[in-house]
Amino acid sequence: GAVVSQHPSWVICKSGTSVKIECRSLDFQATTMFWYRQFPKQSLMLMATSNEGSKATYEQGVEKDKFLINHASLTLSTLTVTSAHPEDSSFYICSARDPFLSGKNGYGYTFGSGTRLTVV
Amino acid sequence: QQQVKQSPQSLIVQKGGISIINCAYENTAFDYFPWYQQFPGKGPALLIAIRPDVSEKKEGRFTISFNKSAKQFSLHIMDSQPGDSATYFCAAAVSGYALNFGKGTSLLVTP
Repeated sequence: GAVVSQHPSWVICKSGTSVKIECRSLDFQATTMFWYRQFPKQSLMLMATSNEGSKATYEQGVEKDKFLINHASLTLSTLTVTSAHPEDSSFYICSARDPFLSGKNGYGYTFGSGTRLTVV
Repeated sequence: QQQVKQSPQSLIVQKGGISIINCAYENTAFDYFPWYQQFPGKGPALLIAIRPDVSEKKEGRFTISFNKSAKQFSLHIMDSQPGDSATYFCAAAVSGYALNFGKGTSLLVTP
């Protein structure tokens, strides 16, 4: 089945530094990837949608200069949190979509295992 | 603005009982309705999903009931087990676009 690998699973960084999170589709080509943020005991909130080879589309209220998304290939998308601050501490989850996947997975949304970011 | 409304926020069920979680939506363009299970520190995992041309779908102990006219859908977990204790999210999407998640239901199944 479709597998999405997300790394790192957790990271601690100092305030003011940048952190990069990778999201890879291992056995399919992901034309579209989604990045979500989840605060403790809350739901997943969509941050941005990225399509391979084009600029990401950010949701209202998400700072595009702070959360840099790159989707340079059909199997890799990265989220870079620039100049991280403690309020950026959260659980970041990517989702990749294989448009050719059918069956149980419906429209082919597959989630990574998430990255716990702690900014100190 | 929450496009998918989920209830209850939390649920306690005895082992062997039925867990029922409800969701409602407004956007009639939604054509994909999945349910996800999430354990602490993990990404959400797809449990079961339904499309609006079907009123019910069953996979093992999990059943989705879908009411298109009422714009509601629900998850039923039969014979609930302690291992089912997790947070459950309903979601809805228009084909090819991002999933819109409900706020989640924390389920606790007591022995």
